[in-house]
Amino acid sequence: AQTVTQSQPEMSVQEAETVTLSCTYDTSESDYYLFWYKQPPSRQMILVIRQEAYKQQNATENRFSVNFQKAAKSFSLKISDSQLGDAAMYFCAYRPLNDYKLSFGAGTTVTVRA
Amino acid sequence: NAGVTQTPKFRVLKTGQSMTLLCAQDMNHEYMYWYRQDPGMGLRLIHYSVGEGTTAKGEVPDGYNVSRLKKQNFLLGLESAAPSQTSVYFCASSSWTGTNYGYTFGSGTRLTVV
Repeated sequence: AQTVTQSQPEMSVQEAETVTLSCTYDTSESDYYLFWYKQPPSRQMILVIRQEAYKQQNATENRFSVNFQKAAKSFSLKISDSQLGDAAMYFCAYRPLNDYKLSFGAGTTVTVRA
Repeated sequence: NAGVTQTPKFRVLKTGQSMTLLCAQDMNHEYMYWYRQDPGMGLRLIHYSVGEGTTAKGEVPDGYNVSRLKKQNFLLGLESAAPSQTSVYFCASSSWTGTNYGYTFGSGTRLTVV
């Protein structure tokens, strides 16, 4: 069963604009971690941002921010002031507190138009 | 540079051949993982290890074996390769101590089985 769902296979954004990627997850746990990873054409998996479920404050990293809605089990990523270098596949991932395995969504390909 | 190193980066196998993928990390991480990445499916966990001498099955273990004889190395074996094992394979390690916790990924191995 798919634990993490990314419903947008592809998203396109104009340079300097904002794009939001959606992610929902299924869990009965109350404590867990959520991640967004970026995978450019180089294949390298790059951590964009992470969120601990016990923290109510949404995580931010420069132009990247999340909207974490625990009750709705939603974890969206907002990329502000999009740059050409943001073009990549983005994966949402989930890890329960009592386990070390990371479960991934299917990914969203982001294209940035100049 | 410190991190996770995978060898080889590319490989073509004939159906029925065997091979071993090597993963090495120099960060003294306890936990190591093997994932495969297929289009539209994200990364799926094959096997993982929670310490030297231990291994466990992940989501898609059939057709693969692993060994972790040394803490820094995690080997993934294909005894009799099948075309369905054509994929990109990622190794990762993780640490959950201190404030800089999370996963570190290798750069991937593209395997084609013909």
